[in-house]
Amino acid sequence: DTGVSQDPRHKITKRGQNVTFRCDPISEHNRLYWYRQTLGQGPEFLTYFQNEAQLEKSRLLSDRFSAERPKGSFSTLEIQRTEQGDSAMYLCASSLFQGANEQFFGPGTRLTVL
Amino acid sequence: GESVGLHLPTLSVQEGDNSIINCAYSNSASDYFIWYKQESGKGPQFIIDIRSNMDKRQGQRVTVLLNKTVKHLSLQIAATQPGDSAVYFCAEPSNTGNQFYFGTGTSLTVIP
Repeated sequence: DTGVSQDPRHKITKRGQNVTFRCDPISEHNRLYWYRQTLGQGPEFLTYFQNEAQLEKSRLLSDRFSAERPKGSFSTLEIQRTEQGDSAMYLCASSLFQGANEQFFGPGTRLTVL
Repeated sequence: GESVGLHLPTLSVQEGDNSIINCAYSNSASDYFIWYKQESGKGPQFIIDIRSNMDKRQGQRVTVLLNKTVKHLSLQIAATQPGDSAVYFCAEPSNTGNQFYFGTGTSLTVIP
């Protein structure tokens, strides 16, 4: 499978715990995006990387959220001190270059905070 | 962010009929628009896009119409099949082009 992959697919955690998600983009894509999607809503942008540089962050990305892409390949999204409101689907997408209309999305990680 | 909205949250059609999904947008400066399909348990999948200098674009069984006067998009699916059942989103790029604004989505159910 040469698409975008995400791990884990599902995560259940207790309030206050830290969680980390991983995204592996399509190998030649230098742009990587994180979105959050709640039930019945469209994806909401969180942040994006060009290679290893994090170039844009949404106001939705509170101080408890941090994303990295250390080698310009895979990326991790960490949520510290999770809250029930963090429960959502976290989607990763990648694209080849700026101006490429198509972002390829992964299957997402569904987070449930109890 | 800009407002991208859909008129109908749900749509049910008979297999073989045509489907029309509508979307309103607010940023008249957007260069292009994209339709995504999202099946249950999967990420959104690109269907078709249209640039702002076009009124119509056709793909395989899908047609997107753009009415810039009233800032309205529609996605037409011909001969709808059970595999078309999904949530459909329209999306437009931000001013920086680094993200997309998605609408709420329309859930399409195809009745066999």
